[in-house]
Amino acid sequence: AQSVTQLDSQVPVFEEAPVELRCNYSSSVSVYLFWYVQYPNQGLQLLLKYLSGSTLVKGINGFEAEFNKSQTSFHLRKPSVHISDTAEYFCAVSVPTGGGNKLTFGTGTQLKVEL
Amino acid sequence: DTGVSQNPRHKITKRGQNVTFRCDPISEHNRLYWYRQTLGQGPEFLTYFQNEAQLEKSRLLSDRFSAERPKGSFSTLEIQRTEQGDSAMYLCASSLNSGGNNEQFFGPGTRLTVL
Repeated sequence: AQSVTQLDSQVPVFEEAPVELRCNYSSSVSVYLFWYVQYPNQGLQLLLKYLSGSTLVKGINGFEAEFNKSQTSFHLRKPSVHISDTAEYFCAVSVPTGGGNKLTFGTGTQLKVEL
Repeated sequence: DTGVSQNPRHKITKRGQNVTFRCDPISEHNRLYWYRQTLGQGPEFLTYFQNEAQLEKSRLLSDRFSAERPKGSFSTLEIQRTEQGDSAMYLCASSLNSGGNNEQFFGPGTRLTVL
């Protein structure tokens, strides 16, 4: 079985500052990795995904993430955040073969951008 | 492309009542997923369909829960004899199963409150 750990439940940051949201996963097989964002009372929107290839993945809204297999991490970064980035961020994994590609999510990190 | 839609958006019911939620996926998507999200947690997988076939059910899906996708298009999730512990956001997602690119698109969710 796979699991995802997001150690930071909340991350406060000032506008225009850089931010990193941490994600570690556990799996005995290769996985696909995802970051989703959830705004209040809305569904989840995909920010970026890692399937294979380059370990640095660029997504929407200026976010990027780096897959580190040795550290089993997939941390999300943005060099300069905006007030509109305030939301809940979820890291997720799925198994490429079998299992229907169902997603296993972490518990989420609330990013709060302050002026 | 109108995205994934879910109805109703909110449902308040009394303990012991039955409720049914509907999900309309993106039209060409052959996979449909149901997740449950409780406060402060990430979404948890409940079940998924490939076309009209229900291929996997989580242990979270007790006997009181039943899901259908009769014509391989929309899906319904029914909860019988609701309990207060069923209060959650129920999320539906759909994807096109083609190779490894299985991006799931999420609906806005149905928030269930059981009194």
